[in-house]
Amino acid sequence: QKEVEQNSGPLSVPEGAIASLNCTYSDRGSQSFFWYRQYSGKSPELIMFIYSNGDKEDGRFTAQLNKASQYVSLLIRDSQPSDSATYLCAVFPSGGYQKVTFGTGTKLQVIP
Amino acid sequence: DTAVSQTPKYLVTQMGNDKSIKCEQNLGHDTMYWYKQDSKKFLKIMFSYNNKELIINETVPNRFSPKSPDKAHLNLHINSLELGDSAVYFCASSQVTLAGEQYFGPGTRLTVT
Repeated sequence: QKEVEQNSGPLSVPEGAIASLNCTYSDRGSQSFFWYRQYSGKSPELIMFIYSNGDKEDGRFTAQLNKASQYVSLLIRDSQPSDSATYLCAVFPSGGYQKVTFGTGTKLQVIP
Repeated sequence: DTAVSQTPKYLVTQMGNDKSIKCEQNLGHDTMYWYKQDSKKFLKIMFSYNNKELIINETVPNRFSPKSPDKAHLNLHINSLELGDSAVYFCASSQVTLAGEQYFGPGTRLTVT
């Protein structure tokens, strides 16, 4: 069983629409959750993190966390072609020297 | 200005050779990581060092040997390279207390022929 699951996509949305990216995780004790963006041929870049249930907004990005359902999502409002990238969900368990586990990523294509 | 740097950016070599990749961070972080990203884009952690101490050592062939001379540097030496080692290797750094907030280097694309 994969520890962090994402739909690989591609997810295609028209410019200006809301893109919704989803992630589920298996470790119920996970405490912190991250979204990284990776452009083709580039390195991952942290864009959002969320630690508590609910929503967290930063500009056009909203991260949503539901620990009971073990579900985290990223909404991108007013999607732009420059948002076209692979979005990696990452989960960090609690306590000690533990490793971040990345999902396989969802490729987002924003169509002009 | 570069926060996390890696050298070389590209590495093309033949099977059986030994090669090294170097990483440096100037963010003042105390923890550094090596990741492997394969052709399917799966990002898998290999090693992590905190203040020069190895804290994460995933199931990686012992042909891979990391070394951290100080908390700003992390190197990866690979012996007897195999075709399956071809991938992009990323270095990253963070504070240990914020281990999910990682800053990645530009990556080293290793091609073994």
